Amino acid sequence: DTGVSQNPRHKITKRGQNVTFRCDPISEHNRLYWYRQTLGQGPEFLTYFQNEAQLEKSRLLSDRFSAERPKGSFSTLEIQRTEQGDSAMYLCASSIGGVGETQYFGPGTRLLVL
Amino acid sequence: AQRVTQPEKLLSVFKGAPVELKCNYSYSGSPELFWYVQYSRQRLQLLLRHISRESIKGFTADLNKGETSFHLKKPFAQEEDSAMYYCALRLSEKLVFGKGTKLTVNP
Repeated sequence: DTGVSQNPRHKITKRGQNVTFRCDPISEHNRLYWYRQTLGQGPEFLTYFQNEAQLEKSRLLSDRFSAERPKGSFSTLEIQRTEQGDSAMYLCASSIGGVGETQYFGPGTRLLVL
Repeated sequence: AQRVTQPEKLLSVFKGAPVELKCNYSYSGSPELFWYVQYSRQRLQLLLRHISRESIKGFTADLNKGETSFHLKKPFAQEEDSAMYYCALRLSEKLVFGKGTKLTVNP
């Protein structure tokens, strides 16, 4: 297992278009997280899943954003009607859960909205 | 509000010099703190966490609840330590990150 993977690595889109990102976690990890990172900031939490259940969503996750993890394995993050302010690095992380767990991060998907 | 503050955006030291990256947190409960590092063109990775009380790559960090700090220290910096360093606080299941400190170790 090579760790958390994310696709695509880069995405350029025009304002108003929809985009979808995919995250494949480490295989035995039941928790999956999405974060967003903008220039000069640390990662900010968006949402997380325990298996297929989405258990928490940040206020940053507007109604244009939707995340799924249909079979408790990979996850997708969709942004509808993209805006220039959505330009950021979108990071996925996974963990096995439990006390003192470590979140392992993917390489990220860099989104640029023109 | 729970938050993490890293007061230095940039930190530059010479090779062999001691380095300290500051992290202060605001949290009313018992904190669980981490340091993550991101080397150039690599993904974010865990450096160390306070519950392990470990030393990784010569780095240590001590939780000081009185000062609400979790500063990262290394007695002798190496050029390969140049990277972005993020302090993070675990809140229920999510991590709250500071804005990061870019460390440059000059030869």
